[in-house]
Amino acid sequence: SQTIHQWPATLVQPVGSPLSLECTVEGTSNPNLYWYRQAAGRGLQLLFYSVGIGQISSEVPQNLSASRPQDRQFILSSKKLLLSDSGFYLCAWTFGRHNEQFFGPGTRLTVL
Amino acid sequence: AQTVTQSQPEMSVQEAETVTLSCTYDTSENNYYLFWYKQPPSRQMILVIRQEAYKQQNATENRFSVNFQKAAKSFSLKISDSQLGDTAMYFCATIAHSGNKLVFGAGTILRVKS
Repeated sequence: SQTIHQWPATLVQPVGSPLSLECTVEGTSNPNLYWYRQAAGRGLQLLFYSVGIGQISSEVPQNLSASRPQDRQFILSSKKLLLSDSGFYLCAWTFGRHNEQFFGPGTRLTVL
Repeated sequence: AQTVTQSQPEMSVQEAETVTLSCTYDTSENNYYLFWYKQPPSRQMILVIRQEAYKQQNATENRFSVNFQKAAKSFSLKISDSQLGDTAMYFCATIAHSGNKLVFGAGTILRVKS
């Protein structure tokens, strides 16, 4: 069966520090991968998606970047965090022919 | 471009009763999918139900069912015999058959009361 992992689960970082969030998928190959951000009590904002290794599409211009160094690995990064980067970050992948997305457990990021 | 509108920011229902969450959407696609996702306090996003637009029959998953009105571009979710564990934020979403990106509504917070 397919599973998706995200780490860390919780992160507290100072303003100006770097960021690296990792997402990995098991049990499938060549998935579409997605990064979303969610503010408290709000909807999901698509940040990046990837249809293959090294292929990244950016939806929102900001100080975040994404990379896909391996087929089932998706990384969200920042060189210098801003207060506005605080939020809940969700990774997702597409399974099967129905385009339904399955989500990881998320990372709660607090920038102080 | 696709859009999804959930007009009910918050709703509440008594345990064991039935509640319906509304969703309307707009799309120029002929083939697309519609979904309802549930996000409980743990914030894990869980797929509740899926509807393929070319199917006229409404999807059903146990206590969850949809009322899909394609001409009206409406996709409501009915939860029967509501349980305390149904308390969550519910998101309606759509994606084109050949698309890569889900489009989400703003969500509806559902509170089930005992």
